Amino acid sequence: SQKIEQNSEALNIQEGKTATLTCNYTNYSPAYLQWYRQDPGRGPVFLLLIRENEKEKRKERLKVTFDTTLKQSLFHITASQPADSATYLCALLRGDSSYKLIFGSGTRLLVRP
Amino acid sequence: GAGVSQSPSNKVTEKGKDVELRCDPISGHTALYWYRQRLGQGLEFLIYFQGNSAPDKSGLPSDRFSAERTGESVSTLTIQRTQQEDSAVYLCASSSSSSGTVYGYTFGSGTRLTVV
Repeated sequence: SQKIEQNSEALNIQEGKTATLTCNYTNYSPAYLQWYRQDPGRGPVFLLLIRENEKEKRKERLKVTFDTTLKQSLFHITASQPADSATYLCALLRGDSSYKLIFGSGTRLLVRP
Repeated sequence: GAGVSQSPSNKVTEKGKDVELRCDPISGHTALYWYRQRLGQGLEFLIYFQGNSAPDKSGLPSDRFSAERTGESVSTLTIQRTQQEDSAVYLCASSSSSSGTVYGYTFGSGTRLTVV
C-alpha cells in the first residue's frame, strides 16, 4: 500500500529564511500531490496542488516541486514569517474512480521572530 | 453554506455508548469524505461519498462504524459501542467532483471525540 513520509521532527527557522519541507512516497506515483496547512484545533486548509506531469508550481511565497523519479515533493516557503508557523500536510491523490486523498502525518514548522 | 460545518465541535461520551457526528458540506459539492485524526497523527481515511454512487467504505476500522449521506446533503457518522481507542478528531471534507483536483478539498473544523 502507498506510504507517505514526512519529517516528524519540527522544523525551526528564523524569520525571513526559506523553509523547506519534504514529502516522500513509496509505491505508485500519484496523479496529483497536494499540500495543506493545519493550525491547532482546525481542519486542514488547501494550499497547492501539483500534477504528475508538472515539475514545479508557485503561489505567492509558496513553491512546490514534484520529482517522480525520486518519489519526492518539496514544499518551500520563502521570506518566512511567524504567521507561517503551523503543521504542513502532504497528500496524494491516485486519480482513479475513488478520488481518495491519502495524507502524510505532517511536519510542524516554527518560525522564530 | 460558506464552508463545511460539523457538529458537535466537542463530544465526551462514556465507553459503550453510541455517538452520532454530523457534517454539512458546501452546497453543490457532490463528494464528501470522513477522516479520523488521532493526536499528533496524520489523517486516516474512513469513508467517501460521491453523488449517488455506492460509498467507498474501505477505511472504516470496524463494523461499529457506519455513515450515511442522503443525496448530496448532510452526512452522519455513527460509532456504536464506543471504545477508548475511538478518541480522536473526526474531520469531514467536501469537494465538487472536478474541483477537488484543482482547488483541493474543503475541511470542516472537526468533532473532537473523547471516550471516557
